[in-house]
Amino acid sequence: LAKTTQPISMDSYEGQEVNITCSHNNIATNDYITWYQQFPSQGPRFIIQGYKTKVTNEVASLFIPADRKSSTLSLPRVSLSDTAVYYCLVPYRANNLFFGTGTRLTVIP
Amino acid sequence: GAGVSQSPSNKVTEKGKDVELRCDPISGHTALYWYRQRLGQGLEFLIYFQGNSAPDKSGLPSDRFSAERTGESVSTLTIQRTQQEDSAVYLCASSPPDRGSNQPQHFGDGTRLSIL
Repeated sequence: LAKTTQPISMDSYEGQEVNITCSHNNIATNDYITWYQQFPSQGPRFIIQGYKTKVTNEVASLFIPADRKSSTLSLPRVSLSDTAVYYCLVPYRANNLFFGTGTRLTVIP
Repeated sequence: GAGVSQSPSNKVTEKGKDVELRCDPISGHTALYWYRQRLGQGLEFLIYFQGNSAPDKSGLPSDRFSAERTGESVSTLTIQRTQQEDSAVYLCASSPPDRGSNQPQHFGDGTRLSIL
């Protein structure tokens, strides 16, 4: 049963690269790692998903080491609008996802 | 296209009343999930539907909570005899049938429930 552990909060200045690392020691062979972003008064929004090595899209990059026991979400050159809560997920059990409390990122001007 | 729609967006009711929350998933999404999010907390899984069957109800906190789904469309979460601890945002998500739990979920913006 895989749960995730990530920092409760992070602060960053505008324009900096932000890396948020998540631990998922019990990840199963077939499980993907998925990251979501949540703004106040909104539902979570899918950011990126990966299985191994590196995945990049227009919003972020996701780095996954060979043992897949952790992953790092990288946000390049953050802006104030990136202030949000970021959740790292792996399947907890069949069709049941454990969201945890996520990482609250605050971008400072 | 249209996203996941939830109604009402806000609901205020008195303790002891029943409430019904509605979720319209994205068309073609066979999987549907309900979550509860208390203020400042993460999402708490409540129930999962595949089509109109609910193979996992393990997250429902008490027998006051129930949920139904009509075919592969609208779902209703009902809370009977509401208590103040039921105050939270109730979020619904849907996803296509492929890849099970690895399929990214599409969320609505939730129903904010306040119990007086």
